[in-house]
Amino acid sequence: AQKITQTQPGMFVQEKEAVTLDCTYDTSDPSYGLFWYKQPSSGEMIFLIYQGSYDQQNATEGRYSLNFQKARKSANLVISASQLGDSAMYFCAMREGYPGGYNKLIFGAGTRLAVHP
Amino acid sequence: DTEVTQTPKHLVMGMTNKKSLKCEQHLGHNAMYWYKQKAKKPPELMFVYSYEKLSINESVPSRFSPECPNSSLLNLHLHALQPEDSALYLCASSQEFQDRNEQFFGPGTRLTVL
Repeated sequence: AQKITQTQPGMFVQEKEAVTLDCTYDTSDPSYGLFWYKQPSSGEMIFLIYQGSYDQQNATEGRYSLNFQKARKSANLVISASQLGDSAMYFCAMREGYPGGYNKLIFGAGTRLAVHP
Repeated sequence: DTEVTQTPKHLVMGMTNKKSLKCEQHLGHNAMYWYKQKAKKPPELMFVYSYEKLSINESVPSRFSPECPNSSLLNLHLHALQPEDSALYLCASSQEFQDRNEQFFGPGTRLTVL
């Protein structure tokens, strides 16, 4: 069963506008972590933001914020003030289990974001 | 300095060749990972090393052989590969037993098997 779902294969946004990338997840484990990664065409996976299942507040990292709705099992990434350099593939990923031990991530299919000038 | 480095960046090999991919992390992490990523797909976990010992092998064919010489280095030895093994191979590292333990990835090696 698919555990991470990204329903938007591609998204477009105008430069300087905000954009939301959707991610829903499925787990019965009360302890889990959610990650967003950016992958430019060069191939490197760049860590953006993390949300723990017990975190009370939504995570923020600069222009990135995570809209965490636990009851709905969603963890949407919000990018504010989009820049041309934000054009890339974005992956949502989940780690199940206690945040210790090795970190087995389950990735979603990804969303390709294109920022237009 | 790049925190996780991988060499080579590109590799073309025949099905009878033997080659190795190398990864080095400069973060002092205690876990290292190999992923395989086909075009337009998410990364797929292949191996996990924890404290230099193989912890996870995701049923990877034996033509892929991982090695962890020390806590900073991770190799992937390749032998008798098939054309379908052509992909981007990503190395990552993380610090176990931490609350967040996000994985940091290297730039990858683009492998083509002829």
